[in-house]
Amino acid sequence: DTGVSQDPRHKITKRGQNVTFRCDPISEHNRLYWYRQTLGQGPEFLTYFQNEAQLEKSRLLSDRFSAERPKGSFSTLEIQRTEQGDSAMYLCASRDRDRGRGNTEAFFGQGTRLTVV
Amino acid sequence: AQRVTQPEKLLSVFKGAPVELKCNYSYSGSPELFWYVQYSRQRLQLLLRHISRESIKGFTADLNKGETSFHLKKPFAQEEDSAMYYCALSGGWFGNEKLTFGTGTRLTIIP
Repeated sequence: DTGVSQDPRHKITKRGQNVTFRCDPISEHNRLYWYRQTLGQGPEFLTYFQNEAQLEKSRLLSDRFSAERPKGSFSTLEIQRTEQGDSAMYLCASRDRDRGRGNTEAFFGQGTRLTVV
Repeated sequence: AQRVTQPEKLLSVFKGAPVELKCNYSYSGSPELFWYVQYSRQRLQLLLRHISRESIKGFTADLNKGETSFHLKKPFAQEEDSAMYYCALSGGWFGNEKLTFGTGTRLTIIP
């Protein structure tokens, strides 16, 4: 499968623990996004990388959340001191560079489902 | 602020009947509009985008800037169309990069 891959697929953690998720985008896609989806809602934007630079962060991304993309390839999303409200599906997406045809298609991973107990 | 509204959470349609999934948006500028679909146990995937003006799997969507709408239509529903559908918006060319999604409509095709 050459699409966007996320690991793990499921994570159950106790409140207060730290968790880290990984996203491997489609090779050579320079843009990478993290979204969060809760029950009954559409995906909500968290943060965006162009290569290794984090260019935008949502207000949803509290100081307990941190994301990195150290070499402009894979990315990690860490949540510190998890809370029950952090329970959600965390989606990663990647896009190719803009080739002058408008915004290119975003390809999504299958997500990491986080449950905080 | 950009916002996407999908007024119907659930929509059931008989096989062979026409389908229309509603989407309205607000954006101060020229947005790019998309429909994404998620079939059971599959990842979110692009169905169509307004600039392509394509028909994908028999679905079409026309951007109506006057009514700020981007409704998804299909003349004859098929059972394989049952899925979750999300309307999404992105800033136009050289605009912001993120997608803003609606809350989604679950479409069920009744055999």
